[in-house]
Amino acid sequence: DIQMTQSPSSLSASVGDRVTITCRASQSIRSYLNWYQQKPGRVPNLLIYATSTLQSGVPSRFSGSGSGTDFTLTISSLQPEDFATYYCHQSYSTPWTFGQGTKVEIK
Amino acid sequence: QVQLLESGPGLVKPSQTLTLTCTVSGDSISRDNCYWSWIRQPAGKALEWLGRIYSGGSTTYNPSLKSRVTISLDTSKNQFSLKLTSLTAADTAVYYCAREPIVGANAFDIWGQGRKVTVSS
Repeated sequence: DIQMTQSPSSLSASVGDRVTITCRASQSIRSYLNWYQQKPGRVPNLLIYATSTLQSGVPSRFSGSGSGTDFTLTISSLQPEDFATYYCHQSYSTPWTFGQGTKVEIK
Repeated sequence: QVQLLESGPGLVKPSQTLTLTCTVSGDSISRDNCYWSWIRQPAGKALEWLGRIYSGGSTTYNPSLKSRVTISLDTSKNQFSLKLTSLTAADTAVYYCAREPIVGANAFDIWGQGRKVTVSS
């Protein structure tokens, strides 16, 4: 199985901050990397697929980059509604696997 | 508007079998270029993909479940189901069904609301 490792596991940030979350795959997954946002008690929501393509309706302050084994999710200016847990997910090779999550908390 | 809705028991005894059903509205589970997946999440933990089924009935499972999982289709009802056998407390989780279009890097673009399942005697 391909292991996905996110860092940090949690972070504290203020509204307006630029936030970067990293996801590393245990082997190359080319560009088959997706990002989800999950708020407490809510369903995961697809933000970005194929490394950098924004899902319809997702604000442009979210962006993704990377290839191979190293990927990043960036929130250019953190908004109150962005405080949540973020998961990366590789769709290169089954079994699909997720990172352990990064919790973004209010500073 | 595509919607997925899980149904099934919320409490199951150890060693028993769990069966959950996902009812799809606004889309056809028979269409091409789309898989239908099951994912679970224990409380406070990360997501785990369990397996998926294609419109023709072909399936892919997570080997970590060691043949305990079966996913099936009922095209007449536009539903797909998960069967998980030999349950233990470790199977306690919220279970989600999700749509997985092939176009779009096999990301899960639509999720059900989730069904909380507790395994306890």
